Amino acid sequence: AQSVTQPDIHITVSEGASLELRCNYSYGATPYLFWYVQSPGQGLQLLLKYFSGDTLVQGIKGFEAEFKRSQSSFNLRKPSVHWSDAAEYFCAVGKTSYDKVIFGPGTSLSVIP
Amino acid sequence: NAGVMQNPRHLVRRRGQEARLRCSPMKGHSHVYWYRQLPEEGLKFMVYLQKENIIDESGMPKERFSAEFPKEGPSILRIQQVVRGDSAAYFCASAGQANTGELFFGEGSRLTVL
Repeated sequence: AQSVTQPDIHITVSEGASLELRCNYSYGATPYLFWYVQSPGQGLQLLLKYFSGDTLVQGIKGFEAEFKRSQSSFNLRKPSVHWSDAAEYFCAVGKTSYDKVIFGPGTSLSVIP
Repeated sequence: NAGVMQNPRHLVRRRGQEARLRCSPMKGHSHVYWYRQLPEEGLKFMVYLQKENIIDESGMPKERFSAEFPKEGPSILRIQQVVRGDSAAYFCASAGQANTGELFFGEGSRLTVL
């Protein structure tokens, strides 16, 4: 069965600092991988996705993620964090583009001015 | 350009009552997914539906919960005889025929059981 772990429950960074959120997945084949962001009281918005091809994917809001098959990881990065990036971030995995998407527990990001 | 619409946004029920949560997918989308989010937890998959069909209900509790997505009208998640443990945010997401893999989420329905 697919599963997703996000080792960091909560991360605090200073505005302007770089950010890396960790994600590890468990799945037998090459999965469909996603990062979603959720602001308080809101639904989720897709930041980026990986299906195949280039293992470094670019997303919205200046985020990028790198798929590393050997480490079963799909870490999210941003070179310079803005205060508006404070939110909950979810890594997710699916078997196909229409299959159910399994979400990790989330990482809560706080940004210090 | 309406997104995924969920209603009600907030619902309060007493134990033993029924809760009905509605989800209208984005225009042209025929795939609907329901997720439940408990406080301080991630989203747990409940059910995946296409028009008039349940595709995957592996995350749905066997009792008291049901879902439908009729040919006309919104998808409905129904919880009978609610208990306090059903208090959560219920999110609906939809996907279209473009096969991009992206789920478009509604803002959720927050159920409180007294």
